[in-house]
Amino acid sequence: QSVLTQPPSVSGAPGQRVTISCTGSSSNIGAGYDVHWYQQLPGTAPKLLIYGSTNRPSGVPDRFSGSKSGTSASLAITGLQAEDEADYYCQSYDSSLRVFGGGTKLTVL
Amino acid sequence: EVQLVESGGGLVQPGRSLRLSCAASGFTFDDYAMHWVRQAPGKGLEWVSGISWNSGTIVYADSVKGRFTISRDNAKNSLYLQMNSLRPEDTALYYCATSIVVVIAPFDYWGQGTLVTVSS
Repeated sequence: QSVLTQPPSVSGAPGQRVTISCTGSSSNIGAGYDVHWYQQLPGTAPKLLIYGSTNRPSGVPDRFSGSKSGTSASLAITGLQAEDEADYYCQSYDSSLRVFGGGTKLTVL
Repeated sequence: EVQLVESGGGLVQPGRSLRLSCAASGFTFDDYAMHWVRQAPGKGLEWVSGISWNSGTIVYADSVKGRFTISRDNAKNSLYLQMNSLRPEDTALYYCATSIVVVIAPFDYWGQGTLVTVSS
């Protein structure tokens, strides 16, 4: 059981908007710790997608955005594309140790 | 270009030891903290251990504390993970990853991983 809770799967049609939630508690996200998001394409290593809850590294399209409120965070993807089909993981901190969400599989219909 | 290349994985019996290595290039190695993150087959990501740029701060996940030892050699641009008393539940793809500081910072770059299988 992961410390951070994500839905196992989400789906959307090309061009649509989807969101992935990451729910924590007062000892991690609610304590003010940043949330980072990673994208893992099939058969590849994870890649940093969003850092500091809302920031995109250079090269990440602005179709990807992050937000955080209270004990939860969200990743939004607009203008869904076939190449967005991947696993997405949130990551934060709990008792100063790094914790991941269980991951969400995004299917582009 | 940042490159992280893990090696040392393989099949090992329960209770035995294994040492993983991660060779880094394309960036100033001793400017970064380094980590090991693992992924069991078909499962999610699990952070294992992290080490600061000068080895002054070392942290472990509870699941490996007392069995695994992380270390680095800045002269060789290399990161290591000594894994002792291995268990079947340690079976996973082990990634090395960078972060600007050991405690509060994202994993900026990842290697492609090395597979560890613990089985009799």
